Amino acid sequence: DTEVTQTPKHLVMGMTNKKSLKCEQHMGHRAMYWYKQKAKKPPELMFVYSYEKLSINESVPSRFSPECPNSSLLNLHLHALQPEDSALYLCASSRPGQTTGELFFGEGSRLTVL
Amino acid sequence: SQKIEQNSEALNIQEGKTATLTCNYTNYSPAYLQWYRQDPGRGPVFLLLIRENEKEKRKERLKVTFDTTLKQSLFHITASQPADSATYLCAPGNYGGSQGNLIFGKGTKLSVKP
Repeated sequence: DTEVTQTPKHLVMGMTNKKSLKCEQHMGHRAMYWYKQKAKKPPELMFVYSYEKLSINESVPSRFSPECPNSSLLNLHLHALQPEDSALYLCASSRPGQTTGELFFGEGSRLTVL
Repeated sequence: SQKIEQNSEALNIQEGKTATLTCNYTNYSPAYLQWYRQDPGRGPVFLLLIRENEKEKRKERLKVTFDTTLKQSLFHITASQPADSATYLCAPGNYGGSQGNLIFGKGTKLSVKP
């Protein structure tokens, strides 16, 4: 079982909806990540939060809005998405100060945009 | 631009044989390389990390090599079992900050037949 919990596991939304994906970890990790993964493709980095501050934004469209309310929680707010945004959204975390630290992934949230 | 190639999209082998997966990189000098396992519809799970000054790393039935001259890492599973069937991702990275610098390969889907 993964120690990174993502909710919901599945989400179907229309293009005009506003929804959020949530991620939680209690391992004391201070770096948290959002990845997007399409079928048969590798995970693609979207955002990185380091010590609750946004440190990397990989030119993600503004219809995706990340938020890190505290060191254990990471949200991804979704608004006005397109059908091509349908994918598996993965949250991950890594240990603080570990330069080669492995990523601990959640099970993902499968998003379908109609 | 940096390029990560995993030699085959799919690899089919018989139970009990050794599976060998290849990860090649170009225009890149990673300080380490990580390998992950991903089951369908789930998040990747970290397996092994090897640093540039390490030639080989082992963990139970897994063995990873790293040849910085050939710009290649090999991932071996000995005495393979049907439960080893999954997609295996390589992810080279460099030191510094969070793991936002990890680049994932497309993965190799391994099928182990009984």
